[in-house]
Amino acid sequence: GDSVTQMEGPVTLSEEAFLTINCTYTATGYPSLFWYVQYPGEGLQLLLKATKADDKGSNKGFEATYRKETTSFHLEKGSVQVSDSAVYFCALKEKTSYDKVIFGPGTSLSVIP
Amino acid sequence: DGGITQSPKYLFRKEGQNVTLSCEQNLNHDAMYWYRQDPGQGLRLIYYSQIVNDFQKGDIAEGYSVSREKKESFPLTVTSAQKNPTAFYLCASRSPGLAGSDTYNEQFFGPGTRLTVL
Repeated sequence: GDSVTQMEGPVTLSEEAFLTINCTYTATGYPSLFWYVQYPGEGLQLLLKATKADDKGSNKGFEATYRKETTSFHLEKGSVQVSDSAVYFCALKEKTSYDKVIFGPGTSLSVIP
Repeated sequence: DGGITQSPKYLFRKEGQNVTLSCEQNLNHDAMYWYRQDPGQGLRLIYYSQIVNDFQKGDIAEGYSVSREKKESFPLTVTSAQKNPTAFYLCASRSPGLAGSDTYNEQFFGPGTRLTVL
């Protein structure tokens, strides 16, 4: 079945460091890919998305490129801030599936001043 | 402002009791979802509803029940049959749009309810 794998956390970085959170997926079709962020004590918020191969999603300085050849959707940010501390979830949804969204286990990020 | 509200934020329950978690949205979304989140794990789908008066089991529906009598509301009942109910529960709804369009797949989440069984 479809699945999403993320790098294990927690990840701890100093402010202004470069961030990469790896995400790879397994899917039978051509899914849409998402990154969601969850701040402490809150629900998930959509951070960015990409719906087809080579699309780049971007938001708030974060970027991720849909790589079909490597089945990856790695999240990157050039300079993290303390306010970026959160849990990040990679997710996919098959376009042929009406409602099933598959979430990865999440990667916890802590940014220290 | 449009959004999804969940109440209460924290809920405590004694073993053997049923408890109902509220989820309300004013986004005019047709589809709504309930997920369970456990520490260090991703989200697991409990139930979802694509339209009023209709709902489907997700991956872990045992011990849970739902209703969808109104478009705006999708309450989740955690029954005494749920063996390990302590978790963080998230409700979501999906934006409308044409199948295959960029907006079709996006889900919006509420702030969550943390349920603890004593």
